[in-house]
Amino acid sequence: TQLLEQSPQFLSIQEGENLTVYCNSSSVFSSLQWYRQEPGEGPVLLVTVVTGGEVKKLKRLTFQFGDARKDSSLHITAAQPGDTGLYLCAGDAWAGGTSYGKLTFGQGTILTVHP
Amino acid sequence: DVKVTQSSRYLVKRTGEKVFLECVQDMDHENMFWYRQDPGLGLRLIYFSYDVKMKEKGDIPEGYSVSREKKERFSLILESASTNQTSMYLCASSLTGLSGRGFGPGTRLTVL
Repeated sequence: TQLLEQSPQFLSIQEGENLTVYCNSSSVFSSLQWYRQEPGEGPVLLVTVVTGGEVKKLKRLTFQFGDARKDSSLHITAAQPGDTGLYLCAGDAWAGGTSYGKLTFGQGTILTVHP
Repeated sequence: DVKVTQSSRYLVKRTGEKVFLECVQDMDHENMFWYRQDPGLGLRLIYFSYDVKMKEKGDIPEGYSVSREKKERFSLILESASTNQTSMYLCASSLTGLSGRGFGPGTRLTVL
């Protein structure tokens, strides 16, 4: 069973600060996805990274996939109260090039950005 | 964007009742999924389906069954609800196994 460890579990910061959320595993993933979930709603896909070493930017959010495809990070620059939510990483199982489509989710990072 | 709807946002049931959770997607996606979400545990896959009438067990299928009679609809059934099935249930769909999931808003189920 693949496991994804997210850290930190909780993050409480002031508006304007920078932050990084980490997603680590001992397993190799063919791709890794990041989601954001607001209270009372389902997760919303932010980005998918598929290539080792890949970096993707989405406005103030920067996503990186580790060279070995075992870890990923999400960096937010100048956080805003609207960034508040639960951030989830999810890895797609690697099985010799065949994906079963069974995402493994991390336990999530709850981010609170105070005005 | 894919739109995934779930039949109820909140549901309260009694122990032993049979519970049906319905999910509909409007994007003609092949793959549909049922997850449960509990604090500190992330999302755990209950069942998924990659085609009509096809189903595969996820990581925690015990106590659940599913039905996919039409491509757009995927139902989760709790045959005899128990208190440890109190949770948030999320339905999702995707075009391929590798694609990002489009999630519904979730059903918060309480079993008394």
